[in-house]
Amino acid sequence: GEDVEQSLFLSVREGDSSVINCTYTDSSSTYLYWYKQEPGAGLQLLTYIFSNMDMKQDQRLTVLLNKKDKHLSLRIADTQTGDSAIYFCAESYGSSNTGKLIFGQGTTLQVKP
Amino acid sequence: GAVVSQHPSRVICKSGTSVKIECRSLDFQATTMFWYRQFPKQSLMLMATSNEGSKATYEQGVEKDKFLINHASLTLSTLTVTSAHPEDSSFYICSARDRQEIRNSPLHFGNGTRLTVT
Repeated sequence: GEDVEQSLFLSVREGDSSVINCTYTDSSSTYLYWYKQEPGAGLQLLTYIFSNMDMKQDQRLTVLLNKKDKHLSLRIADTQTGDSAIYFCAESYGSSNTGKLIFGQGTTLQVKP
Repeated sequence: GAVVSQHPSRVICKSGTSVKIECRSLDFQATTMFWYRQFPKQSLMLMATSNEGSKATYEQGVEKDKFLINHASLTLSTLTVTSAHPEDSSFYICSARDRQEIRNSPLHFGNGTRLTVT
């Protein structure tokens, strides 16, 4: 079935760039998303990319999509301590408009001062 | 931006009682809302899709009689955990999409409800 995989943990120093990687299996997904979750809170949408795009940049965030390899990455430039959180990659479930999302297991980003 | 309000944020109840969680879209109408469950340090698992004016669609393995979903209006969906047991303790998050937005537009999430059953 459909699956989304992420590495579980990433540690960087403040000011460095962070790159969080994700692989997915459903090639018919039309959108791929990055969400951020702080402790005890819900999910905050960071950015999303349409499947016919290769890259999307939004301020400090850059999303790269390699559709051939089914690989998605999120780069955070100039990482700050406030960026410490769990980051979830998600793909839309197939090409139909069901609205379902399949989430990865989340990558915990630790930013050291 | 679109806001989804979830209430309560935290609830502790005794085993055998029922708990109702509300999910409201504050500044948009949502024909479809989604209920997710998240175990500690784990990903989100879709439980069911809530459709305004019709029955919810449950994912495989989710007991519809235990997790009652009602979507009575375009801005409110409720999840009732009936006869709760300690294994139902979890973080429940709802999400919704603005009916005016395009297909596969991003979902807006509530802040979640931490349920603890003692």
